[in-house]
Amino acid sequence: GQQVMQIPQYQHVQEGEDFTTYCNSSTTLSNIQWYKQRPGGHPVFLIQLVKSGEVKKQKRLTFQFGEAKKNSSLHITATQTTDVGTYFCRVSSSNTGKLIFGQGTTLQVKP
Amino acid sequence: DAGVTQSPTHLIKTRGQQVTLRCSPISGHKSVSWYQQVLGQGPQFIFQYYEKEERGRGNFPDRFSARQFPNYSSELNVNALLLGDSALYLCASSLQTGTFYEQYFGPGTRLTVT
Repeated sequence: GQQVMQIPQYQHVQEGEDFTTYCNSSTTLSNIQWYKQRPGGHPVFLIQLVKSGEVKKQKRLTFQFGEAKKNSSLHITATQTTDVGTYFCRVSSSNTGKLIFGQGTTLQVKP
Repeated sequence: DAGVTQSPTHLIKTRGQQVTLRCSPISGHKSVSWYQQVLGQGPQFIFQYYEKEERGRGNFPDRFSARQFPNYSSELNVNALLLGDSALYLCASSLQTGTFYEQYFGPGTRLTVT
């Protein structure tokens, strides 16, 4: 069945350093969504990628969709303490209607 | 506009009991999904409903059931509660069903089973 792996599980960085999380699927994806969950909060939608090789930017955040549509990455340039939280990718199973979240990457930023 | 609302915020139940969680979607949203989130893990998909019909089901036992009402609000029911059902239950609404619609999450219901 559909599986999605997110790495790393945790990342501790010094404020100002860059951060990247990766989401890898066992099958070709129709699309991928990224969400951010702050400590004690709920997931909040960040972006959706649909096209092969697509790259989208939101200020210091850069999202990429792989050419084969099996993997994606989220890169944060010059992290700030406001970037703290857990970043999840979300995919779907085309034949079952299941919506599948990755395990998440928790980012800690030291000021 | 109001966001997704869920009630209650917190709930403590005993093993074997039954619980009903409620969700009101954003106005105009017709699809509601339910997730279970255990501490340190990603949300696990339970159900998705659209226009009162089930459109997707995750790998949860039959003790879990849900329904959607004509006003698009939804209830999640869990019978014969187990200790392992303790988790944050999240409701998310979207304009329509399917993978291409972004989901808006409510604050969740924290369920503790003792």
